[in-house]
Amino acid sequence: DVKVTQSSRYLVKRTGEKVFLECVQDMDHENMFWYRQDPGLGLRLIYFSYDVKMKEKGDIPEGYSVSREKKERFSLILESASTNQTSMYLCASKGAFEKLFFGSGTQLSVL
Amino acid sequence: QKEVEQNSGPLSVPEGAIASLNCTYSDRGSQSFFWYRQYSGKSPELIMSIYSNGDKEDGRFTAQLNKASQYVSLLIRDSQPSDSATYLCAILIFGNEKLTFGTGTRLTIIP
Repeated sequence: DVKVTQSSRYLVKRTGEKVFLECVQDMDHENMFWYRQDPGLGLRLIYFSYDVKMKEKGDIPEGYSVSREKKERFSLILESASTNQTSMYLCASKGAFEKLFFGSGTQLSVL
Repeated sequence: QKEVEQNSGPLSVPEGAIASLNCTYSDRGSQSFFWYRQYSGKSPELIMSIYSNGDKEDGRFTAQLNKASQYVSLLIRDSQPSDSATYLCAILIFGNEKLTFGTGTRLTIIP
């Protein structure tokens, strides 16, 4: 089975801190994604990557950046965390037939 | 107009009945359609995909696609309490690498 691992299940940070969310997949997938999920707003795409060192902005990239130095690892960076970035963050990798495999999510609270 | 629209619910269905979930989309270039199930506190998981007009059946689940009317639906026969979850509709537009999700419909099966 495909495994997508997110480094933290819960994270509490202070406003202005730099935050790193890590995601690792074990299936050699080329495409990886970062979403945030908020009540009533559904899943919104922040960034995605289709290859090492390649990235594309999603629908809501403002305040975020990403890094993909190795194929299996896709990191989301909040340069200066703000309270409106409190959310559930979900990482996913894409396998055959466009199927997304999600990690267990990171609930980030910014105080 | 949102790209993918779902009725947020909640939708309550008696155990053993048919649950019907609907999704409409705006982009006629949409080529692939997916239903994800998300249990409370968990990540989404793919349950059905459909690519051509008509019905696709998998066990108790049937996905229906009508490209002319731009809607896709999910029927759950013989609903069970374990089907209680939020169901997310997602589409893939031709030439695009990213899935676009609806906001989800919360389904509750009443014993």
